[in-house]
Amino acid sequence: NAGVTQTPKFQVLKTGQSMTLQCAQDMNHNSMYWYRQDPGMGLRLIYYSASEGTTDKGEVPNGYNVSRLNKREFSLRLESAAPSQTSVYFCASYPTGQGVYEQYFGPGTRLTVT
Amino acid sequence: AQRVTQPEKLLSVFKGAPVELKCNYSYSGSPELFWYVQYSRQRLQLLLRHISRESIKGFTADLNKGETSFHLKKPFAQEEDSAMYYCALRTYSGGSNYKLTFGKGTLLTVNP
Repeated sequence: NAGVTQTPKFQVLKTGQSMTLQCAQDMNHNSMYWYRQDPGMGLRLIYYSASEGTTDKGEVPNGYNVSRLNKREFSLRLESAAPSQTSVYFCASYPTGQGVYEQYFGPGTRLTVT
Repeated sequence: AQRVTQPEKLLSVFKGAPVELKCNYSYSGSPELFWYVQYSRQRLQLLLRHISRESIKGFTADLNKGETSFHLKKPFAQEEDSAMYYCALRTYSGGSNYKLTFGKGTLLTVNP
């Protein structure tokens, strides 16, 4: 199992450009999440998807959109990138059911917006 | 609303010294708390959870509901413990799904 994978690993964008961060998991998990990690701010939830076909806003959704393409894939889109979106982005997945508790994280995408 | 507070951004200790990473939470329901760790250039991974009351890599954490705390402790720190540590609170978000609220993290450095 590859677990949670993310592409790309690094990206540099100019202000106003758009891009999509890809995330996939092969663990048959129902729930998937997008976080951003900033120094001194910890991890903040951007969006999450409890199951295929559903998405919900997290703590910091402004400037982002998401798509839960199928059970495996959950993408994050920046329509018009801003320097404030410079961050490390982590995708995570979570099984549902009794007795499960661990969220599994991807390796992260380091995004710089100039 | 729930909140997780880690008061120390940075913590530096010498090898062999005891270490305690503080975590306080605010939540109206029954709390489920976790510690996640991120070693340099690695992904975030679960270290331990309060329900299991286990010791992982020599670390323990006890949930104190009276003080609303879940501090992480290790009696003798090792250099390989150097990492970013996040305290997290799991809350129910409908159906059988959950969200994690993370603290801001504490960067632990263990010096030789």
